[in-house]
Amino acid sequence: AQTVTQSQPEMSVQEAETVTLSCTYDTSESNYYLFWYKQPPSRQMILVIRQEAYKQQNATENRFSVNFQKAAKSFSLKISDSQLGDTAMYFCAFSSNFGNEKLTFGTGTRLTIIP
Amino acid sequence: EAGVAQSPRYKIIEKRQSVAFWCNPISGHATLYWYQQILGQGPKLLIQFQNNGVVDDSQLPKDRFSAERLKGVDSTLKIQPAKLEDSAVYLCASSLVRGVETQYFGPGTRLLVL
Repeated sequence: AQTVTQSQPEMSVQEAETVTLSCTYDTSESNYYLFWYKQPPSRQMILVIRQEAYKQQNATENRFSVNFQKAAKSFSLKISDSQLGDTAMYFCAFSSNFGNEKLTFGTGTRLTIIP
Repeated sequence: EAGVAQSPRYKIIEKRQSVAFWCNPISGHATLYWYQQILGQGPKLLIQFQNNGVVDDSQLPKDRFSAERLKGVDSTLKIQPAKLEDSAVYLCASSLVRGVETQYFGPGTRLLVL
């Protein structure tokens, strides 16, 4: 079974600074997908970024980028030029490429952007 | 494009009562998921539907939880009887097809069991 670990329950950073959220996972599969989801206080979960394990290039979406280290099973999220609207819970999630596509989530990191 | 709709948004019940949650996925999305998110934890899949068939219900407590997706569109999740430990947010998500497609989440139903 796959597991996802987020070791930072809470983080805070000043507005406009850069912050990195950590995620590690465990799987025996060679091909899979990793995701970062954002859950603002309104509770609607939104996809931030996704990474296919077979791709060596790290995914980037505007101010959001990942550092994917397949051998280390590490998948961190970097938020550049942080904004007040980035305040939310951030969940790292794993999905197998075979059979069930369910998402396995970590426990989340509560990120607060300080004005 | 309308998002995933869920109702009610909040529900308070006493233990041993029954409760039902409703989800309407994004139009055309064949796959529908129900997740349970207990406070302080990440969401956990309860059941996954492909059209109106069940793909995975391995983590659904079948002695008290049931779900259906008639006609492959709307879905209902029921708890009967509820226990204190069922207090959680119940999230519905949908995706276009099977395969690792982006899942779109609804706002969730917050359940408190007293």
